[in-house]
Amino acid sequence: DAKTTQPPSMDCAEGRAANLPCNHSTISGNEYVYWYRQIHSQGPQYIIHGLKNNETNEMASLIITEDRKSSTLILPHATLRDTAVYYCIVRTPSGSARQLTFGSGTQLTVLP
Amino acid sequence: GAVVSQHPSRVICKSGTSVKIECRSLDFQATTMFWYRQFPKQSLMLMATSNEGSKATYEQGVEKDKFLINHASLTLSTLTVTSAHPEDSSFYICSARYARGRETEAFFGQGTRLTVV
Repeated sequence: DAKTTQPPSMDCAEGRAANLPCNHSTISGNEYVYWYRQIHSQGPQYIIHGLKNNETNEMASLIITEDRKSSTLILPHATLRDTAVYYCIVRTPSGSARQLTFGSGTQLTVLP
Repeated sequence: GAVVSQHPSRVICKSGTSVKIECRSLDFQATTMFWYRQFPKQSLMLMATSNEGSKATYEQGVEKDKFLINHASLTLSTLTVTSAHPEDSSFYICSARYARGRETEAFFGQGTRLTVV
């Protein structure tokens, strides 16, 4: 799986958009970008994933650059409950035996 | 999304005793489950891959005789920490792979906080 680089921490004001960047310059053509988050003392939660087009679901939006070397997860209206560690992971979507490799992630703190 | 249930959510045990943690996929079958360990302020580290009906595959540095994994059915994997010591105190998390068409998705249990006293 391609290596990812994320800032260790970010702050965001409640109600504002949180934009979390991720660099994955060595991503290969068949690898997707996945985002998970982990709220303190809970298991990771899937957020969103994409290949090259921008994606949006009820939780977030994912913007992937045209060269696919970086992406941004956007939480449009951050709440205090969005405070968590956010992990950007690059992997192929198929294959039942591949585990996820977690990096250090970004600690997002939403401030009141 | 698919649901993975992990039990117990927290356990305190005495040094030298064994503790069993269960991981269940509630609404799907998982031929493969993964067990992770997470120490405070660190990321998740994969311990082992649990395959239904066969032996688990352990990561380098993880003692297979200490961390016993059983995956007897398509919906249940168990991790038993044998002869637990205080240094085994950690947050243990399981995940199960859910196949959706040609893609697979990973869903995680809520984690088990193990404290060995």
